[in-house]
Amino acid sequence: NAGVTQTPKFRILKIGQSMTLQCTQDMNHNYMYWYRQDPGMGLKLIYYSVGAGITDKGEVPNGYNVSRSTTEDFPLRLELAAPSQTSVYFCASRMTGNTGELFFGEGSRLTVL
Amino acid sequence: AQSVTQLDSQVPVFEEAPVELRCNYSSSVSVYLFWYVQYPNQGLQLLLKYLSGSTLVKGINGFEAEFNKSQTSFHLRKPSVHISDTAEYFCAVNPLGGGSQGNLIFGKGTKLSVKP
Repeated sequence: NAGVTQTPKFRILKIGQSMTLQCTQDMNHNYMYWYRQDPGMGLKLIYYSVGAGITDKGEVPNGYNVSRSTTEDFPLRLELAAPSQTSVYFCASRMTGNTGELFFGEGSRLTVL
Repeated sequence: AQSVTQLDSQVPVFEEAPVELRCNYSSSVSVYLFWYVQYPNQGLQLLLKYLSGSTLVKGINGFEAEFNKSQTSFHLRKPSVHISDTAEYFCAVNPLGGGSQGNLIFGKGTKLSVKP
């Protein structure tokens, strides 16, 4: 059972570079999310999607973009990386319905130097 | 607006001692409540949840939490902790309605450190 899979697990970027964090889930969940986690700050929602073709901004979307062309995949793109984007990024998914239980990937640790 | 406050950022305890991790929330609408656990270098996983019914909910690994509507609290407890419980614990609320889209609001986390 793969669940939610994120790649890469670690990445170092230079300021101004771009990259895509990949996320795929095999549970046929409609809802998918990208969070960033910074020490002592909890999780902040970057973007979310309620289904293929539909995305919306979360609390901290600036500097990021997403797309959702399939149910399974929800990549997060960082354009013009900045040191403030150094963080651990988590992708999560859940079923339709409002019980809110999220299934998380193992995270991608990004450092921007 | 909804918010979640975890009152302790770090909680050190000795093995086999009881522990309580505190969580208070603020919301103008009804909520579902959750506790998630994050072990080192891993993603979050669900520990327990309150949706309705009995205010005392039991989760995995011997943890339980009590929903107190009048106090707007959802404190997490375990009567006897193990070294393996060392992790970061996150309280989260799902506001029902109000345009939230069912998105969880997380607290800042409490790091539980169990010492031998």
